Amino acid sequence: AQSVSQHNHHVILSEAASLELGCNYSYGGTVNLFWYVQYPGQHLQLLLKYFSGDPLVKGIKGFEAEFIKSKFSFNLRKPSVQWSDTAEYFCAVVSYGTDKLIFGTGTRLQVFP
Amino acid sequence: SAVISQKPSRDICQRGTSLTIQCQVDSQVTMMFWYRQQPGQSLTLIATANQGSEATYESGFVIDKFPISRPNLTFSTLTVSNMSPEDSSIYLCSVGTSGSDTQYFGPGTRLTVL
Repeated sequence: AQSVSQHNHHVILSEAASLELGCNYSYGGTVNLFWYVQYPGQHLQLLLKYFSGDPLVKGIKGFEAEFIKSKFSFNLRKPSVQWSDTAEYFCAVVSYGTDKLIFGTGTRLQVFP
Repeated sequence: SAVISQKPSRDICQRGTSLTIQCQVDSQVTMMFWYRQQPGQSLTLIATANQGSEATYESGFVIDKFPISRPNLTFSTLTVSNMSPEDSSIYLCSVGTSGSDTQYFGPGTRLTVL
C-alpha cells in the first residue's frame, strides 16, 4: 500500500534558524507531491506542489521543496524561519491512476522568538 | 482557489445520534472529497462525493455509517450515523478538478461524541 512518511513529528527552532522537514513516499510510479500547512486555528492551506519539470519548487512565504525521485523524497526547506511559521506541516502524495491523496502524519513546528 | 465553507464548525453530540455536515463551495467544482482527521493523526480519505450517483468509499468506510449526498456541483453533505466516542474527529471536505490535481480544503467540522 502507498504510504507517506514524515520522520520529524515535532520540531522546535529559534527564529532565523534553517528548516528542513523530511518527506518520503512509497509509490514507484508517477506522482504529484504537495506540502500543506495548517496554522493554529486556520484552514489547511497549500504551501507548494510539484507535478513535473524543475524538481526544486518554490512556494509561499519563502518555502521551497526538492523532489528527488531516486530517493522518493520531497523535503521542505526554508533558510530562515520566523515565529509566524509556527504551524503543522503535512506532506501529501497522489499517484497517477489512483486519484487518492495520501497524507503523512504531519510535523508540528514551533518557532520561538 | 475556491472558497469552501462547512457547517457546523463544531458540535458535541450524544452517543447513538447522527450528525449531518454540510460543505458549500462558491463555484462549481468537479470533485468533492470528505476526510477525517482523528486526534493527533493525519488526514484519511473517507470517500469521493459523486454528483448524481453514490459516493465512492475508501477501505474501512461504509455508506451505512457515512452516507454522503452531492445533489449539485457546489454542495455536499456527510452524515456520521449512530455515533460513538471513536467518531470524535475533525471532518473536512475538499474540492479539486480531479483526484490527482490540487485539492483545497474547507475549515473542518470538529465533532465530539460523548
